[in-house]
Amino acid sequence: AQTVTQSQPEMSVQEAETVTLSCTYDTSESDYYLFWYKQPPSRQMILVIRQEAYKQQNATENRFSVNFQKAAKSFSLKISDSQLGDAAMYFCAYRSAMLNNAGNMLTFGGGTRLMVKP
Amino acid sequence: KAGVTQTPRYLIKTRGQQVTLSCSPISGHRSVSWYQQTPGQGLQFLFEYFSETQRNKGNFPGRFSGRQFSNSRSEMNVSTLELGDSALYLCASSLTAGGWYEQYFGPGTRLTVT
Repeated sequence: AQTVTQSQPEMSVQEAETVTLSCTYDTSESDYYLFWYKQPPSRQMILVIRQEAYKQQNATENRFSVNFQKAAKSFSLKISDSQLGDAAMYFCAYRSAMLNNAGNMLTFGGGTRLMVKP
Repeated sequence: KAGVTQTPRYLIKTRGQQVTLSCSPISGHRSVSWYQQTPGQGLQFLFEYFSETQRNKGNFPGRFSGRQFSNSRSEMNVSTLELGDSALYLCASSLTAGGWYEQYFGPGTRLTVT
């Protein structure tokens, strides 16, 4: 079974600064996807960024980028130029891409609460 | 396109009762997954349906069940409610099962068991 660990229950960042959220995972699979989801206080979960395990290039979406280290099983999220609207719970998630386990089941980490100070 | 909708948004039930939650996926999406979110256990996968068939099931007791209809709408049922079933129940829809397709989450149903 896969596990996802987020070791930082809470983080804070000054507006306009950069913050990095950590995520490690454990799997014996070679093909999988990794995601970062954001859950604002309104509770609707939205996808921030995703990474395919076989792609070495780190994914980037505007101010959000990841540092994917497959050998270390690490998948951190960097938020640049932090904005007040970035304040939320952030969840790291794993999904198998193995053909015999194809599906949409996500395994989530425990989450990191990000606070943005004005 | 309308997003994923869940009804009801809030629900209060008594121990021993049963409850049915509904999820309407984005139009054209055929996969629906359900998750339970609690402060203690975090986000846990319940089950996934694709084309009316259950594809995966999480580690939950048999009191938790679900189904999917031909229009892809899904319902989950919890029988003999326990206090520990109090949680936010989220559903997510996707175009298909597996692959690179994004999953879109609904706003959730907040269930309180007293």
